[in-house]
Amino acid sequence: SQQGEEDPQALSIQEGENATMNCSYKTSINNLQWYRQNSGRGLVHLILIRSNEREKHSGRLRVTLDTSKKSSSLLITASRAADTASYFCATVNQAGTALIFGKGTTLSVSS
Amino acid sequence: NAGVMQNPRHLVRRRGQEARLRCSPMKGHSHVYWYRQLPEEGLKFMVYLQKENIIDESGMPKERFSAEFPKEGPSILRIQQVVRGDSAAYFCASSQGLSYNEQFFGPGTRLTVL
Repeated sequence: SQQGEEDPQALSIQEGENATMNCSYKTSINNLQWYRQNSGRGLVHLILIRSNEREKHSGRLRVTLDTSKKSSSLLITASRAADTASYFCATVNQAGTALIFGKGTTLSVSS
Repeated sequence: NAGVMQNPRHLVRRRGQEARLRCSPMKGHSHVYWYRQLPEEGLKFMVYLQKENIIDESGMPKERFSAEFPKEGPSILRIQQVVRGDSAAYFCASSQGLSYNEQFFGPGTRLTVL
């Protein structure tokens, strides 16, 4: 069954605005990861947050994790046109052998 | 340090033909994962391999699909007797350890079945 589910499915904003994407998952996790995929390309790892962490920053990215609600959010501040991509959250399956991805949020940043 | 390499980038096959997709992991990585992405969908896990061993193939279709990661050379995902439903992007990823850590993805192979 789908582990991570992103919300919204699509998001359109102007350059300079902030973009927030949410992810919900179903089972207990060791960590949660966010990836970006530019159109027609492979995935790029953005950030990993462990289950005992509540917030993590990396440049213009801020990730929060609420294990009690089984949810995470990715905030991109001061967005740029180059941030246009699909964003996926991923958790590790119970066997620890694979990442389980949601369907992603498609972010479009217009200049 | 070269990243994960996949070839070919694009592959066109007619129904009934075989497709062979290759993946060279990052240097120093001994764990390889294959994922499939259908249009407008997220990635779906297919198989996890270490050198000469299939560790988890729970995401692989039972028929026509096979994967290997030999002692020497790249990992191969093989699809026999392709059908139109096999058309998708196939991504390979590698890691130093198990999935708990970051996985590094290749650019993918886009398979089109005519």
